[in-house]
Amino acid sequence: GENVEQHPSTLSVQEGDSAVIKCTYSDSASNYFPWYKQELGKRPQLIIDIRSNVGEKKDQRIAVTLNKTAKHFSLHITETQPEDSAVYFCAATGANNLFFGTGTRLTVIP
Amino acid sequence: DGGITQSPKYLFRKEGQNVTLSCEQNLNHDAMYWYRQDPGQGLRLIYYSQIVNDFQKGDIAEGYSVSREKKESFPLTVTSAQKNPTAFYLCASSPRDRELHYGYTFGSGTRLTVV
Repeated sequence: GENVEQHPSTLSVQEGDSAVIKCTYSDSASNYFPWYKQELGKRPQLIIDIRSNVGEKKDQRIAVTLNKTAKHFSLHITETQPEDSAVYFCAATGANNLFFGTGTRLTVIP
Repeated sequence: DGGITQSPKYLFRKEGQNVTLSCEQNLNHDAMYWYRQDPGQGLRLIYYSQIVNDFQKGDIAEGYSVSREKKESFPLTVTSAQKNPTAFYLCASSPRDRELHYGYTFGSGTRLTVV
């Protein structure tokens, strides 16, 4: 089955700096890669996703890049703000469901 | 709750007791999922269902059971056979398409504690 690895497990940045979270996947058939943000005690919420026919997607301060050859994808957050502090999960498709990375705890220091 | 409701929010289970977690969605989604979340381990799949009256085991199904009698409902029972049930349980749903995958909508979760 699919195996998704996510790094780093924790990340601290100064407010206004950029943050990058990286994930790798094992199944070359995976074709959909969503990213979720989970604030403390709350549900994960989809923040951006990318399909395998696209190399990059942007939504305001958030962008995701996908390298199918290397089987890795990354989340980029620019001009970070304190409200970006949360746990971020990447995911990749298996045959019938999503496989999640272990999460990155992002702390934005004011 | 964004169309998918989990209850209760907090649940306490005694040793040897079965408990059932509720998950209801009004999004008309075909597929529903149960994940368990432990610190540092991300989200692990317990069971999923792509259609009414059918469900499949995920990676950690031992000690759990589910049913899918209605499209809107996918309850999870944590049985006494689950030796370490204390965790945060998340239910999710998504549209189902043969070729395309879609992101999940998650419920707000149930925190289960063994006492």
